[in-house]
Amino acid sequence: GQQLNQSPQSMFIQEGEDVSMNCTSSSIFNTWLWYKQDPGEGPVLLIALYKAGELTSNGRLTAQFGITRKDSFLNISASIPSDVGIYFCAGHPNSGGSNYKLTFGKGTLLTVNP
Amino acid sequence: EAGVAQSPRYKIIEKRQSVAFWCNPISGHATLYWYQQILGQGPKLLIQFQNNGVVDDSQLPKDRFSAERLKGVDSTLKIQPAKLEDSAVYLCASSRDFSYEQYFGPGTRLTVT
Repeated sequence: GQQLNQSPQSMFIQEGEDVSMNCTSSSIFNTWLWYKQDPGEGPVLLIALYKAGELTSNGRLTAQFGITRKDSFLNISASIPSDVGIYFCAGHPNSGGSNYKLTFGKGTLLTVNP
Repeated sequence: EAGVAQSPRYKIIEKRQSVAFWCNPISGHATLYWYQQILGQGPKLLIQFQNNGVVDDSQLPKDRFSAERLKGVDSTLKIQPAKLEDSAVYLCASSRDFSYEQYFGPGTRLTVT
Protein backbone atom coordinates (compact mmCIF):
# COMPACT_ATOMS: atom_id res chain seq x y z
CA GLY A 1 0.00 0.00 0.00
CA GLN A 2 0.91 3.66 -0.12
CA GLN A 3 3.33 4.90 2.51
CA LEU A 4 4.56 8.30 3.55
CA ASN A 5 8.04 8.63 5.01
CA GLN A 6 8.64 11.55 7.32
CA SER A 7 12.04 12.87 8.32
CA PRO A 8 13.50 13.51 10.66
CA GLN A 9 11.74 11.25 13.17
CA SER A 10 12.56 13.73 15.93
CA MET A 11 14.17 17.12 16.36
CA PHE A 12 15.48 18.97 19.38
CA ILE A 13 16.04 22.65 18.79
CA GLN A 14 16.56 25.92 20.66
CA GLU A 15 13.80 28.50 20.88
CA GLY A 16 14.11 31.00 18.04
CA GLU A 17 15.59 28.53 15.54
CA ASP A 18 13.96 27.68 12.24
CA VAL A 19 12.76 24.12 11.60
CA SER A 20 12.43 22.10 8.41
CA MET A 21 10.85 18.70 7.98
CA ASN A 22 9.72 16.71 4.98
CA CYS A 23 7.50 13.94 3.80
CA THR A 24 8.13 11.68 0.81
CA SER A 25 6.11 9.10 -1.06
CA SER A 26 6.94 6.40 -3.59
CA SER A 27 3.81 7.31 -5.56
CA ILE A 28 2.17 10.55 -6.65
CA PHE A 29 -0.10 12.41 -4.28
CA ASN A 30 -2.26 15.29 -5.48
CA THR A 31 -3.26 16.56 -2.05
CA TRP A 32 -0.95 17.10 0.91
CA LEU A 33 -1.94 18.14 4.41
CA TRP A 34 0.07 18.93 7.51
CA TYR A 35 -1.25 18.34 11.02
CA LYS A 36 0.10 19.02 14.51
CA GLN A 37 -0.77 16.82 17.48
CA ASP A 38 -0.27 17.93 21.08
CA PRO A 39 -0.02 15.31 23.83
CA GLY A 40 -3.42 13.92 24.72
CA GLU A 41 -5.19 15.71 21.88
CA GLY A 42 -6.28 14.97 18.35
CA PRO A 43 -4.36 16.23 15.30
CA VAL A 44 -5.06 19.82 14.27
CA LEU A 45 -5.01 20.78 10.60
CA LEU A 46 -2.29 23.35 9.87
CA ILE A 47 -2.05 23.65 6.08
CA ALA A 48 -3.59 21.98 3.02
CA LEU A 49 -1.89 21.94 -0.41
CA TYR A 50 -3.59 21.12 -3.69
CA LYS A 51 -1.25 22.12 -6.52
CA ALA A 52 2.29 21.01 -7.39
CA GLY A 53 4.77 23.77 -6.54
CA GLU A 54 2.26 25.51 -4.26
CA LEU A 55 3.71 27.39 -1.29
CA THR A 56 1.26 28.19 1.51
CA SER A 57 1.81 29.99 4.80
CA ASN A 58 -0.06 29.98 8.09
CA GLY A 59 1.61 32.42 10.45
CA ARG A 60 5.16 31.20 11.09
CA LEU A 61 4.46 27.96 9.24
CA THR A 62 5.13 27.51 5.53
CA ALA A 63 4.43 24.34 3.57
CA GLN A 64 5.34 23.44 0.03
CA PHE A 65 3.88 20.90 -2.39
CA GLY A 66 6.86 19.33 -4.19
CA ILE A 67 7.14 19.66 -7.97
CA THR A 68 7.42 15.90 -8.42
CA ARG A 69 4.17 15.47 -6.42
CA LYS A 70 5.98 12.85 -4.36
CA ASP A 71 7.02 15.10 -1.52
CA SER A 72 6.05 17.99 0.71
CA PHE A 73 7.92 20.20 3.13
CA LEU A 74 7.01 22.08 6.30
CA ASN A 75 9.05 24.95 7.69
CA ILE A 76 8.56 26.70 11.03
CA SER A 77 10.31 30.00 11.52
CA ALA A 78 11.46 31.44 14.83
CA SER A 79 10.27 28.47 16.90
CA ILE A 80 8.62 29.02 20.28
CA PRO A 81 7.96 26.54 23.12
CA SER A 82 4.32 25.98 22.08
CA ASP A 83 5.54 24.56 18.76
CA VAL A 84 6.36 21.38 20.67
CA GLY A 85 4.38 18.41 19.40
CA ILE A 86 4.20 15.78 16.69
CA TYR A 87 3.84 16.97 13.11
CA PHE A 88 2.13 14.61 10.68
CA CYS A 89 1.93 14.78 6.94
CA ALA A 90 -1.01 13.20 5.16
CA GLY A 91 -1.81 12.76 1.51
CA HIS A 92 -4.28 11.54 -1.06
CA PRO A 93 -3.72 10.52 -4.70
CA ASN A 94 -6.97 12.20 -5.88
CA SER A 95 -7.69 9.39 -8.28
CA GLY A 96 -11.42 9.95 -8.23
CA GLY A 97 -14.28 8.24 -6.46
CA SER A 98 -15.89 9.03 -3.14
CA ASN A 99 -13.13 7.73 -0.91
CA TYR A 100 -11.32 10.62 0.73
CA LYS A 101 -9.14 8.33 2.80
CA LEU A 102 -5.85 9.94 3.81
CA THR A 103 -2.50 8.17 4.20
CA PHE A 104 -0.57 9.46 7.22
CA GLY A 105 3.15 9.50 7.91
CA LYS A 106 4.55 8.38 11.27
CA GLY A 107 5.22 11.91 12.39
CA THR A 108 8.13 14.16 13.37
CA LEU A 109 8.46 14.86 17.09
CA LEU A 110 9.58 18.43 17.71
CA THR A 111 11.04 19.51 21.04
CA VAL A 112 11.86 23.18 21.63
CA ASN A 113 14.26 24.12 24.38
CA PRO A 114 13.36 27.53 25.88
CA GLU B 1 -18.33 26.44 15.30
CA ALA B 2 -18.10 23.56 17.75
CA GLY B 3 -15.46 20.94 17.01
CA VAL B 4 -15.70 17.18 16.88
CA ALA B 5 -16.84 15.79 20.22
CA GLN B 6 -15.80 12.41 21.57
CA SER B 7 -16.51 10.50 24.73
CA PRO B 8 -15.23 9.08 26.92
CA ARG B 9 -11.74 10.59 26.91
CA TYR B 10 -10.22 7.64 28.74
CA LYS B 11 -11.25 4.04 29.25
CA ILE B 12 -9.57 1.14 31.00
CA ILE B 13 -11.00 -2.35 30.52
CA GLU B 14 -9.89 -5.93 30.90
CA LYS B 15 -9.29 -8.13 27.88
CA ARG B 16 -12.40 -9.88 26.57
CA GLN B 17 -14.63 -7.06 27.85
CA SER B 18 -16.54 -4.81 25.48
CA VAL B 19 -16.29 -1.04 25.06
CA ALA B 20 -18.05 1.64 23.03
CA PHE B 21 -16.92 5.07 21.91
CA TRP B 22 -19.14 7.94 20.79
CA CYS B 23 -18.48 10.72 18.30
CA ASN B 24 -20.44 13.79 17.25
CA PRO B 25 -18.99 15.46 14.14
CA ILE B 26 -18.90 19.13 13.24
CA SER B 27 -22.37 20.28 12.26
CA GLY B 28 -22.98 19.88 8.54
CA HIS B 29 -20.08 17.52 7.94
CA ALA B 30 -21.35 14.59 5.90
CA THR B 31 -18.26 12.42 6.18
CA LEU B 32 -17.13 10.80 9.43
CA TYR B 33 -14.00 8.76 10.03
CA TRP B 34 -12.81 6.51 12.85
CA TYR B 35 -9.04 6.09 13.24
CA GLN B 36 -6.86 3.97 15.49
CA GLN B 37 -3.59 5.55 16.60
CA ILE B 38 -1.02 3.34 18.26
CA LEU B 39 1.74 5.05 20.23
CA GLY B 40 4.46 6.32 17.91
CA GLN B 41 2.39 5.89 14.75
CA GLY B 42 0.20 8.03 12.56
CA PRO B 43 -3.57 7.54 12.56
CA LYS B 44 -4.79 4.43 10.73
CA LEU B 45 -8.27 4.56 9.19
CA LEU B 46 -10.73 1.99 10.51
CA ILE B 47 -13.94 3.10 8.80
CA GLN B 48 -15.31 5.98 6.75
CA PHE B 49 -19.00 6.95 6.58
CA GLN B 50 -20.63 9.21 3.99
CA ASN B 51 -23.85 10.30 5.71
CA ASN B 52 -25.05 6.95 7.14
CA GLY B 53 -23.44 4.73 4.50
CA VAL B 54 -20.07 2.99 4.75
CA VAL B 55 -17.52 4.09 2.13
CA ASP B 56 -14.47 2.18 3.35
CA ASP B 57 -14.16 -0.39 6.15
CA SER B 58 -11.36 -2.42 4.59
CA GLN B 59 -9.11 -2.09 7.66
CA LEU B 60 -11.79 -2.64 10.30
CA PRO B 61 -11.27 -5.98 12.14
CA LYS B 62 -14.87 -7.00 11.64
CA ASP B 63 -14.68 -10.04 13.90
CA ARG B 64 -14.47 -7.73 16.92
CA PHE B 65 -15.03 -4.14 15.78
CA SER B 66 -18.31 -2.62 14.64
CA ALA B 67 -19.43 0.91 13.91
CA GLU B 68 -22.67 2.60 13.04
CA ARG B 69 -23.93 6.02 12.08
CA LEU B 70 -27.66 5.47 12.06
CA LYS B 71 -29.04 8.96 11.40
CA GLY B 72 -26.08 10.32 9.50
CA VAL B 73 -24.89 12.46 12.40
CA ASP B 74 -23.25 10.93 15.46
CA SER B 75 -21.53 7.57 15.45
CA THR B 76 -20.48 4.78 17.79
CA LEU B 77 -17.53 2.42 17.52
CA LYS B 78 -17.64 -0.81 19.50
CA ILE B 79 -15.03 -3.41 20.33
CA GLN B 80 -16.21 -6.81 21.53
CA PRO B 81 -14.25 -8.64 22.86
CA ALA B 82 -11.22 -6.43 23.41
CA LYS B 83 -7.67 -7.70 23.07
CA LEU B 84 -4.48 -6.32 24.58
CA GLU B 85 -3.36 -5.07 21.16
CA ASP B 86 -6.45 -2.84 20.95
CA SER B 87 -4.81 -0.46 23.43
CA ALA B 88 -4.57 2.77 21.44
CA VAL B 89 -6.12 6.18 20.96
CA TYR B 90 -9.33 6.10 18.93
CA LEU B 91 -9.82 9.27 16.96
CA CYS B 92 -12.93 10.49 15.24
CA ALA B 93 -12.71 13.00 12.39
CA SER B 94 -15.20 14.68 10.09
CA SER B 95 -15.10 16.59 6.83
CA ARG B 96 -17.42 18.43 4.47
CA ASP B 97 -18.65 16.72 1.32
CA PHE B 98 -15.90 16.37 -1.34
CA SER B 99 -13.19 17.68 0.99
CA TYR B 100 -9.86 16.14 2.02
CA GLU B 101 -9.62 18.45 5.04
CA GLN B 102 -10.44 16.34 8.05
CA TYR B 103 -10.99 17.78 11.51
CA PHE B 104 -10.24 15.57 14.48
CA GLY B 105 -11.77 15.19 17.91
CA PRO B 106 -9.65 14.87 21.06
CA GLY B 107 -9.68 11.07 20.95
CA THR B 108 -10.41 8.30 23.44
CA ARG B 109 -7.41 6.64 25.02
CA LEU B 110 -8.19 2.94 25.53
CA THR B 111 -6.10 0.75 27.79
CA VAL B 112 -6.78 -2.99 27.74
CA THR B 113 -5.28 -4.91 30.66
